[in-house]
Amino acid sequence: EVQLVESGGALVQPGGSLRLSCAGSGFSFSSYWMSWVRQAPGRGLEWVATIKPDGSEISSVASVEGRFTVSRDNTKKALYLQMNSLRAEDTGIYYCARGGALSTSPWGQGTLVTVSS
Amino acid sequence: DVVLTQSPLSLSVTLGQPASISCRPSQSLVYRDGNIYLNWFQQRPGQSPRRLIYEVSKRDSGVPDRFIGGGSGTNYTLKISGLEAEDVGVYYCMQGVHWPPTFGQGTRVDIK
Repeated sequence: EVQLVESGGALVQPGGSLRLSCAGSGFSFSSYWMSWVRQAPGRGLEWVATIKPDGSEISSVASVEGRFTVSRDNTKKALYLQMNSLRAEDTGIYYCARGGALSTSPWGQGTLVTVSS
Repeated sequence: DVVLTQSPLSLSVTLGQPASISCRPSQSLVYRDGNIYLNWFQQRPGQSPRRLIYEVSKRDSGVPDRFIGGGSGTNYTLKISGLEAEDVGVYYCMQGVHWPPTFGQGTRVDIK
């Protein structure tokens, strides 16, 4: 069974940093594009970033560019999202998803990031 | 960014009755390979989104055949042929042809 399990969400002050992790299992992790998508409380879905299977190509949306960095470790079947200079508007549930921009499935259960003083 | 306009934003349906959601993109969703990458996701209360339909009309494994995706050009639809209690939730269309990938605003479906 394909599984994605996120971790690392927490309460952090504005301007702070956080590193999210996503552990993949049940599939050939190193063969897939991987993505992060977020959802603000009570709101819709927003794409965050996508990384190529070998990590050589990364794309991020404008609202996080220069602050967030996606990376992966295929030996550990792990996806990461390093978030710096966090803002209140970054608050939300962060989902890890298998796949790239064209389509993603499945998604993990999500991890909650709260940016507040 | 490509805007996906969903309608209606809310839908109350009697159990066993059909439901239909529209998704209208602001641009063509035909990719360079000729395929159309329009997806539909279901988010049940308290759960993460689950893909139901990809490439307009292809059902994911385990998705009941009452979920039917279709459409072309600038109008795509997700139809539920007969609503069941487990179908309550929010439905999103999503495109990945143009960067950044975008989602519709979501359509909330509940039982009348």
